[in-house]
Amino acid sequence: GAVVSQHPSRVICKSGTSVKIECRSLDFQATTMFWYRQFPKQSLMLMATSNEGSKATYEQGVEKDKFLINHASLTLSTLTVTSAHPEDSSFYICSAEQALANEKLFFGSGTQLSVL
Amino acid sequence: GDSVTQMEGPVTLSEEAFLTINCTYTATGYPSLFWYVQYPGEGLQLLLKATKADDKGSNKGFEATYRKETTSFHLEKGSVQVSDSAVYFCALAPFTGGGNKLTFGTGTQLKVEL
Repeated sequence: GAVVSQHPSRVICKSGTSVKIECRSLDFQATTMFWYRQFPKQSLMLMATSNEGSKATYEQGVEKDKFLINHASLTLSTLTVTSAHPEDSSFYICSAEQALANEKLFFGSGTQLSVL
Repeated sequence: GDSVTQMEGPVTLSEEAFLTINCTYTATGYPSLFWYVQYPGEGLQLLLKATKADDKGSNKGFEATYRKETTSFHLEKGSVQVSDSAVYFCALAPFTGGGNKLTFGTGTQLKVEL
């Protein structure tokens, strides 16, 4: 089946630094990718929807200047957490929608971000 | 807005036991309902889905029936195996065909022991 590679799987950084998370569709083209975050014992929350070649659409309450999303190609989307703080520590997951395949979503394995 | 509530885990069962993981939802209109599974170190994978009331989704021995009257989509399996140990997420999409903007539950961890 289709594979989405998310990297890194775990990252620890100092407060104030920026962290980039990559999401790649390995064997299909993804016109749309989604970014989620999950706090312990809470739901996966959709943060933003990114479409290749255009600006991401952010969900209410998500700071677009804090969470920069770039979807420069049909196989790669990146999420950059800028000036990270401890409250940004969370589990981040991406998913990719296979082009022309409605309701076909493939997920990365997630990134655990810990900000010290 | 839309929401999904599923039972807290972890759920620990012996092999061959019967499994039920409860899931209820709140949504306007006619959502599609999904169960996703996440095995250790892997991404979420679609396990099964149902797109309208009374539909039953099934896969790998797991079943879930879309119950509009009780707004539920409980996951069941008659006899679990150790290999079923994973985290299970219930999710909904706002409508059939527009369906990739998902609302998830918290996930329920299942541990199956010998």
